[in-house]
Parts: sequence; structure tokens; C-alpha cells
Amino acid sequence: NAGVTQTPKFQVLKTGQSMTLQCAQDMNHEYMSWYRQDPGMGLRLIHYSVGAGITDQGEVPNGYNVSRSTTEDFPLRLLSAAPSQTSVYFCASSYSSASLRPTGELFFGEGSRLTVL
Amino acid sequence: GQQLNQSPQSMFIQEGEDVSMNCTSSSIFNTWLWYKQDPGEGPVLLIALYKAGELTSNGRLTAQFGITRKDSFLNISASIPSDVGIYFCAGQLSSTLGRLYFGRGTQLTVWP
Repeated sequence: NAGVTQTPKFQVLKTGQSMTLQCAQDMNHEYMSWYRQDPGMGLRLIHYSVGAGITDQGEVPNGYNVSRSTTEDFPLRLLSAAPSQTSVYFCASSYSSASLRPTGELFFGEGSRLTVL
Repeated sequence: GQQLNQSPQSMFIQEGEDVSMNCTSSSIFNTWLWYKQDPGEGPVLLIALYKAGELTSNGRLTAQFGITRKDSFLNISASIPSDVGIYFCAGQLSSTLGRLYFGRGTQLTVWP
């Protein structure tokens, strides 16, 4: 099992460019999420999904789009990159309880480090 | 959004010392979790707590779910150099679907 795989690991963009961070998991997890990590700020939830076809906003969703067409994949799109989006991005997945809440035992990818100039 | 107040922000200790860190919240959580992040890696779950008052150990690590359900602590006994990293608390509200809230982390440095 590969677990949670994120690509690319590093990316440099210019302001206004668009890109997609890819996330795939092979554990058949219903729940997937994207976090960003900034120094001194901890992990902040961007978007999450409790199953294929279902997505919702987290704490800091502005400037990001997501979709969940399959159980395995949960890409994060930056439509028009801004310097404030310079960060390390983590994708995480989990089993869901019967009530569709994550069990809390998140499995994280290795992160994607994004720099916007 | 929900705020988890995690302290201390950083710790510098000697190998062999015990470590204690905690998290508090103004809201009642139904799950508390502790994660560790090594440099350049994603966080990894250390301990999960599901009941108020629960005390759980994982090797040299011990964590407790506060009776009020608004706090949790993590203790590390006899620290070793590989304990270096960032420790995060996280919590889940019973009323919020699909969200875990993370503290800002405790950066632990262990001197040999």
C-alpha cells in the first residue's frame, strides 16, 4: 500500500498562474481533506469530502477549488495563485464513522511545498 | 472557527527529561487526538482519545482526555533525541461533520 500520495512535492508559481495539487489514496477511505501549514499557525482545513461527489468548505477555502469524482482522488485547484498561498499543503484521509464523521485517525501525505512569487 | 490553545509553543529539554504539553478549548470535544510531525514529513497519529477521563499510553507517551471534555494533555517520559518534532493536538466536535480542529503545535527540541 502506498497510503496517501501527493504530487508534486515542490512547485514554484508566478502570481496569477493556476495549478492543481494531486492527492490519491489506496486505502478505500471515504473521508479526504486538504490542509495548509504555515509557520506558527498549525494546520488549517481548506476543503474536505466525506465521500465521492460530496465536498464542503473548511476554515480557509477562499482561492481553492476541489472535486471528488472518485473515492481515490481529491485534487486541490488554485485558480489564480497569490503570494498568500505560499505554504505547505497536506492531503489527509480517514475512515468515516456511520455518521460520516472522520474517525480522527487521519493518514497524511508527505506534503506539497508551494511557493508563489 | 474553533480555536485550540496549545501550550507551550516550544520546548528545549535535555535527553532523559520528561515533557508535558496541553491543549484547551472553549468548546466540548468528543474526540481528542495527538499527532507528531517529523521534519519534512506529514503528521502521524500518536494517540486517540474517545471518552472523557480516558488515559491512554503508547510506549513512553501518555495522553488524557479531560473530564470537562475541553482539554487534553500529552506527557513524554524519559525523552530521547528522536522525540524531536512538532506535536499537534486535534479535536472533533460532536456537532460538526467532517472537521478536525488542530492546535498550533509544540516544537520540541531534545539536547543529547
